[in-house]
Amino acid sequence: NAGVMQNPRHLVRRRGQEARLRCSPMKGHSHVYWYRQLPEEGLKFMVYLQKENIIDESGMPKERFSAEFPKEGPSILRIQQVVRGDSAAYFCASSKAIGELFFGEGSRLTVL
Amino acid sequence: GESVGLHLPTLSVQEGDNSIINCAYSNSASDYFIWYKQESGKGPQFIIDIRSNMDKRQGQRVTVLLNKTVKHLSLQIAATQPGDSAVYFCAEKEDFGNEKLTFGTGTRLTIIP
Repeated sequence: NAGVMQNPRHLVRRRGQEARLRCSPMKGHSHVYWYRQLPEEGLKFMVYLQKENIIDESGMPKERFSAEFPKEGPSILRIQQVVRGDSAAYFCASSKAIGELFFGEGSRLTVL
Repeated sequence: GESVGLHLPTLSVQEGDNSIINCAYSNSASDYFIWYKQESGKGPQFIIDIRSNMDKRQGQRVTVLLNKTVKHLSLQIAATQPGDSAVYFCAEKEDFGNEKLTFGTGTRLTIIP
């Protein structure tokens, strides 16, 4: 019974490139959340999605960031034209309709 | 409140002793609180939760205390073990129907053998 799967675990990009982070929720979970964590800080909410719908994107930067959770396949967090300030750990969590959040191991993005 | 990028508060405890980690929250509308443990290079791991209509909840070796008057939450870990070394975060949310969490800054707990 696999947990929340995130890939890649580590990603290096040069400024201006695109980063795509993938998250497969736990089996039976239809709710996905993305969080960002800077070194020595807590996690900051970015976006909450259900299948094919964005429910709450109040934590997403207005530009360059987008997220989707298609009917089939993993949820994708996409960062266009990355800048050094985007370097962080990005965590995905999933849940059933109501219930405990289960976190993945995170994707660590480094922008050179 | 928002972190300003300062180093995490740290707490060092002798193995076998009890530890208390504190957390202040700011949103009086929060009605559900969770403690997470995060080991280096890993994602947050659920430890224990508490609803706002309770002031204490116990688990295995852990106890969470909630003081709504002063908006304060604490995590007590009894008989600490080396495996307890990690960063501990409190998290809060307003609406039990939405799992969106607001995380605190975190405390780094180090267990001294």
